[in-house]
Amino acid sequence: GAVVSQHPSRVICKSGTSVKIECRSLDFQATTMFWYRQFPKQSLMLMATSNEGSKATYEQGVEKDKFLINHASLTLSTLTVTSAHPEDSSFYICSAQDTGELFFGEGSRLTVL
Amino acid sequence: GDSVTQMEGPVTLSEEAFLTINCTYTATGYPSLFWYVQYPGEGLQLLLKATKADDKGSNKGFEATYRKETTSFHLEKGSVQVSDSAVYFCALIAGTYKYIFGTGTRLKVLA
Repeated sequence: GAVVSQHPSRVICKSGTSVKIECRSLDFQATTMFWYRQFPKQSLMLMATSNEGSKATYEQGVEKDKFLINHASLTLSTLTVTSAHPEDSSFYICSAQDTGELFFGEGSRLTVL
Repeated sequence: GDSVTQMEGPVTLSEEAFLTINCTYTATGYPSLFWYVQYPGEGLQLLLKATKADDKGSNKGFEATYRKETTSFHLEKGSVQVSDSAVYFCALIAGTYKYIFGTGTRLKVLA
């Protein structure tokens, strides 16, 4: 199947700094990618839909200025957590569709100290 | 709104035991239903799916039947192996792209 790769898999940062997470489709082009957030023992929650060449579509309750999404090419979407705080610590997962099936990245665990 | 409820884990079984992980859903219309599996250190992978009532999805010895009357999609396997240890997510999609996931059930299989 198609491969979606995320980087970094783990990141630790200080409060107030910004962190960028990359999501790449390795063997297919993805006009649309999705960013999820997973809290411990909770569901994956869709944060936003990343559209190549246009603005991302954010789900209700997700701060656009906090979670900046850029989808500059058909194989790369980035999520930047700006001015991170401890409550932003979480597991972030991206996904992309190829031939109707959803493929997921490995996830990125963010810890904000 | 649409939702997925699955049994809380962790589920701990001995090798060759029978597995059932319950999943029920609430959705308007006729959703497609999925089971995803996440092995340690890896991303989510599609395990099986069913797109209409009474469909049975199957893969790697796992099965789940789309039961519209009970709004359920329980995951079963007749004989689990240590390599099946993972987190299992039930999910549905009722629109063009918005997947709704359950909380995940961690399965641990002991040798």
